[in-house]
Amino acid sequence: DVKVTQSSRYLVKRTGEKVFLECVQDMDHENMFWYRQDPGLGLRLIYFSYDVKMKEKGDIPEGYSVSREKKERFSLILESASTNQTSMYLCASSTLTGRHQPQHFGDGTRLSIL
Amino acid sequence: GIQVEQSPPDLILQEGANSTLRCNFSDSVNNLQWFHQNPWGQLINLFYIPSGTKQNGRLSATTVATERYSLLYISSSQTTDSGVYFCAVGSKLSFGAGTTVTVRA
Repeated sequence: DVKVTQSSRYLVKRTGEKVFLECVQDMDHENMFWYRQDPGLGLRLIYFSYDVKMKEKGDIPEGYSVSREKKERFSLILESASTNQTSMYLCASSTLTGRHQPQHFGDGTRLSIL
Repeated sequence: GIQVEQSPPDLILQEGANSTLRCNFSDSVNNLQWFHQNPWGQLINLFYIPSGTKQNGRLSATTVATERYSLLYISSSQTTDSGVYFCAVGSKLSFGAGTTVTVRA
């Protein structure tokens, strides 16, 4: 079974802090994604990566950056955390072998910015 | 981007009932997936179904790509089916707002 592991289930940080959310997958997937989920809005894509050191902006990249130095790890960075970034953050991965494949999600990180 | 609309937003079922959830999308896609988010927040992939029909136990899904909609069927619902069901489409997986299903014993 595919395993997508997010480093923290719950996280509390202060306004202005630099925050790192880590995600690791164990299936050698090419694609990795970061979403945030807010009530009534579904999941919105922040960034995705289709290969090491490659990244593309999603629908709401402002205030975030990402890093993918190794294939199995995809990090989301809040450069200067703000209260409107309080949310549930979900990481996902998938493989792409000529056609789309099912996405697999981690358990999520519930981030509170005070 | 692709617009995804799910209906109904909320659904309350008695255990044993059948139901249909709908997903409409605004553009042709070659990637459509259904997910279930359980009450603990875990997202589970139910179906990868850009076209055609698939069945997995009491769940089945049909996508009519030419008419830009997909349906998820839940038969003989159980309390463990409660949660939020999401439809997601496209290469970057644009998500709908979800259908919240509550199954009562």
